[in-house]
Amino acid sequence: AQSVTQPDIHITVSEGASLELRCNYSYGATPYLFWYVQSPGQGLQLLLKYFSGDTLVQGIKGFEAEFKRSQSSFNLRKPSVHWSDAAEYFCAVGLQTGANNLFFGTGTRLTVIP
Amino acid sequence: DSGVTQTPKHLITATGQRVTLRCSPRSGDLSVYWYQQSLDQGLQFLIQYYNGEERAKGNILERFSAQQFPDLHSELNLSSLELGDSALYFCASSAGQGGAGELFFGEGSRLTVL
Repeated sequence: AQSVTQPDIHITVSEGASLELRCNYSYGATPYLFWYVQSPGQGLQLLLKYFSGDTLVQGIKGFEAEFKRSQSSFNLRKPSVHWSDAAEYFCAVGLQTGANNLFFGTGTRLTVIP
Repeated sequence: DSGVTQTPKHLITATGQRVTLRCSPRSGDLSVYWYQQSLDQGLQFLIQYYNGEERAKGNILERFSAQQFPDLHSELNLSSLELGDSALYFCASSAGQGGAGELFFGEGSRLTVL
């Protein structure tokens, strides 16, 4: 069965510092991969997605993620964090066949300190 | 604004009761998904409908049911409520039924069972 692991429950970074949020997946084939962000009291917003092709994908708000097949990882990065990036981040896996539902990791809460 | 509308935003009820959560998808989207977000379980996929028909089923309890109406809005019915059903329930929509189109999430309905 497919699964998504986000090993870091909570990360604190200083404003302006770089950020990397980890995501590992388990699936028999290459899945579709997503990063969503959830601000307090809000729904989930798509940051970026990987379907195929270039393994480094660019998203909104200056985020990027790199798909590494050998490590079954899809880590999210940002070179310089802004205070407004404080939120919960979810990695998700979508199957390449069948229904379109996504399987989410447990999320990483990001705190940004001035 | 994702274009997905969920009502009510907050709901407080007692154990044993029944509630209905409503979702209006983005204009033109045929698929509706329901997710449950709780502190201990994270974001769990419940069920997907596509153009009125059930497309995929996840970890949905037998006490829960859903449907999608001809106008494409969807309702999630939760009955015989238990304390553990307290959670944030998200609706999402997408254009297609399969593959990995982007899911657009509503802001959620927060259910508190006392």
